[in-house]
Amino acid sequence: DGGITQSPKYLFRKEGQNVTLSCEQNLNHDAMYWYRQDPGQGLRLIYYSQIVNDFQKGDIAEGYSVSREKKESFPLTVTSAQKNPTAFYLCASEASGRSDTQYFGPGTRLTVL
Amino acid sequence: AQSVSQHNHHVILSEAASLELGCNYSYGGTVNLFWYVQYPGQHLQLLLKYFSGDPLVKGIKGFEAEFIKSKFSFNLRKPSVQWSDTAEYFCAVNPSSGNTPLVFGKGTRLSVIA
Repeated sequence: DGGITQSPKYLFRKEGQNVTLSCEQNLNHDAMYWYRQDPGQGLRLIYYSQIVNDFQKGDIAEGYSVSREKKESFPLTVTSAQKNPTAFYLCASEASGRSDTQYFGPGTRLTVL
Repeated sequence: AQSVSQHNHHVILSEAASLELGCNYSYGGTVNLFWYVQYPGQHLQLLLKYFSGDPLVKGIKGFEAEFIKSKFSFNLRKPSVQWSDTAEYFCAVNPSSGNTPLVFGKGTRLSVIA
C-alpha cells in the first residue's frame, strides 16, 4: 500500500526540548517537503529536498532542521530555537520536484507545553 | 516573491447551492496552478491542476476551475454542492520554469449545511 506515513500522530513535548518528526514514503518520489499548518495561515513551507543528501530552506526554516540521507525518509527536527513550535506539521512528496502533484501524509500535531 | 490570495476565509452554503471560491496570485510569468482539498480527518489531496492548454480544468467530484490570465485568477467552482464537500480548500501556485516550490493560499473553509 503506497503512501506517506508520519509518526506519531500526536506529540507532546516540554518547552526547551528538541523533537524529531518522522516522514517516510514508499512512492519512490525524489522530492519531499515539510509544511507547517496553522489555523488561518494555510500551509507554509519549512524545508524541502529535491534529491537525496540535498535540501533547501523554505519560508519559515528558522528553528527547524532536516536531513535527507535516504530517498524514502525526510525527518524534521523542531529545535528549542523555534519560538512557536505548537502546530500541525505536514509532510509531502512529489515524483520529480518539477511541479508534479504533491502527495501528503496524515500530519503530526505537535504540542509544546 | 509570488503570493496567493484566497479572499474567502469561511463560506457557508446550503446543499445544492452553487460554489465559487476565489484565488488570485501575484506573479508575472507563466505559472502552474493547483487546488488541494482537506476533508475533515483526511489527508490533503489534489482536486485539480492547470499547467497549460484549455483554461477550464475539470477535477474530481464535479469540481472545475478556470484560469483567467488577465485577472491572475484561478477560481474554483461547483454547480451544486453536497454535504460531503465540507472541507478546507487551498489554492497553490508556482512558476512553470525552474524548481520553485509551491506557494499556498491561506485556505477557505467550506461548510455545507443540509
